[in-house]
Amino acid sequence: GESVGLHLPTLSVQEGDNSIINCAYSNSASDYFIWYKQESGKGPQFIIDIRSNMDKRQGQRVTVLLNKTVKHLSLQIAATQPGDSAVYFCAESNYGGSQGNLIFGKGTKLSVKP
Amino acid sequence: DVKVTQSSRYLVKRTGEKVFLECVQDMDHENMFWYRQDPGLGLRLIYFSYDVKMKEKGDIPEGYSVSREKKERFSLILESASTNQTSMYLCASSLGWGKGSYNEQFFGPGTRLTVL
Repeated sequence: GESVGLHLPTLSVQEGDNSIINCAYSNSASDYFIWYKQESGKGPQFIIDIRSNMDKRQGQRVTVLLNKTVKHLSLQIAATQPGDSAVYFCAESNYGGSQGNLIFGKGTKLSVKP
Repeated sequence: DVKVTQSSRYLVKRTGEKVFLECVQDMDHENMFWYRQDPGLGLRLIYFSYDVKMKEKGDIPEGYSVSREKKERFSLILESASTNQTSMYLCASSLGWGKGSYNEQFFGPGTRLTVL
């Protein structure tokens, strides 16, 4: 597979369990956050986003939680499936700052055991 | 569906060669970006453009240049490729500033460049 997964924090879960991937962001002025999923050999794909005026947002099988007090973001995946195996990146943005730039975390590799 | 395409999935070049990486998006996005992705370093922004013929340096512009002659196309140029430019290159695009989008970027599949 692609080498993007090397040297990353790794989370290993059993199929069917819930996964929680954490991210600490750096800028207290950031007001928009995204989670991306990157499968081996592919570009990052959007999963879910959240604005700073919210602390929770739910999608299909995924939930993002935002704790601005401690600058922490988490992605919860319910009933994890083998197809969820990928590297997950959080990204932050200051909408009031420069045009459209995202700052990406280093990523976490999720491995799902069947 | 937003589609961002990159001209090559895999590319092998020799040191000193001039390399062009092409990116095309089909959703009339204003902003386009070039990143490189390396193990343990995540995505690092090389250059971005928020309009035709406009370009801004990202975090690691040295050794690279870009061209945006048309809105849908953003090219990354390595004037004289070096071995330390071996990497995965990712192109992305997003809606323009203040267009109702909170900066979500759509990525292409990536080009894995090897410089020998």
